[in-house]
Amino acid sequence: AQSVTQPDIHITVSEGASLELRCNYSYGATPYLFWYVQSPGQGLQLLLKYFSGDTLVQGIKGFEAEFKRSQSSFNLRKPSVHWSDAAEYFCAVGATGNQFYFGTGTSLTVIP
Amino acid sequence: DAGITQSPRHKVTETGTPVTLRCHQTENHRYMYWYRQDPGHGLRLIHYSYGVKDTDKGEVSDGYSVSRSKTEDFLLTLESATSSQTSVYFCAISDGRTSYEQYFGPGTRLTVT
Repeated sequence: AQSVTQPDIHITVSEGASLELRCNYSYGATPYLFWYVQSPGQGLQLLLKYFSGDTLVQGIKGFEAEFKRSQSSFNLRKPSVHWSDAAEYFCAVGATGNQFYFGTGTSLTVIP
Repeated sequence: DAGITQSPRHKVTETGTPVTLRCHQTENHRYMYWYRQDPGHGLRLIHYSYGVKDTDKGEVSDGYSVSRSKTEDFLLTLESATSSQTSVYFCAISDGRTSYEQYFGPGTRLTVT
């Protein structure tokens, strides 16, 4: 069965520090992988996606993610966090029938 | 931003009453989805549609029904609302042909008292 695990419920980082959010997936075939961001009271915004090809993908707002098949992971990174990055982040895997399976999310707090 | 609207944006209703939420898109995308978001659960798929009058169940479909009579509209109905259906409901759309990412609406906060 398909599933996504985000091991970190909450992360706190200092502004300017680097960030890595973890995502592990379970899927039998080659996955489509996504990261979304949600600000309070808002819908989800797509940050980046992986379908095939280069395993390091670039997204919006300076984010990147690396697909590692051997580790079933798709971790999100940013070299220098800004206060405006404080939000909830969701990893998702796309399965057959265009269905998505989402992780439970990681809440990011940025301290000055 | 993808043209997706949801109505109403907020609703308070009583247990046992029927409730219908509407999702409207202007992108002419084939796929439409209804999710609910609850703390500690992320987003869970309720129902989805892969074309007009073509729908299927997601992982938490009990107590919900959907209809899609036009490409642009996808309705979610709670036949008899219960307190466990208090949640934030999101609609999403996807082209499903040239791309597979989903785009989300702003959400509807539903409270069942």
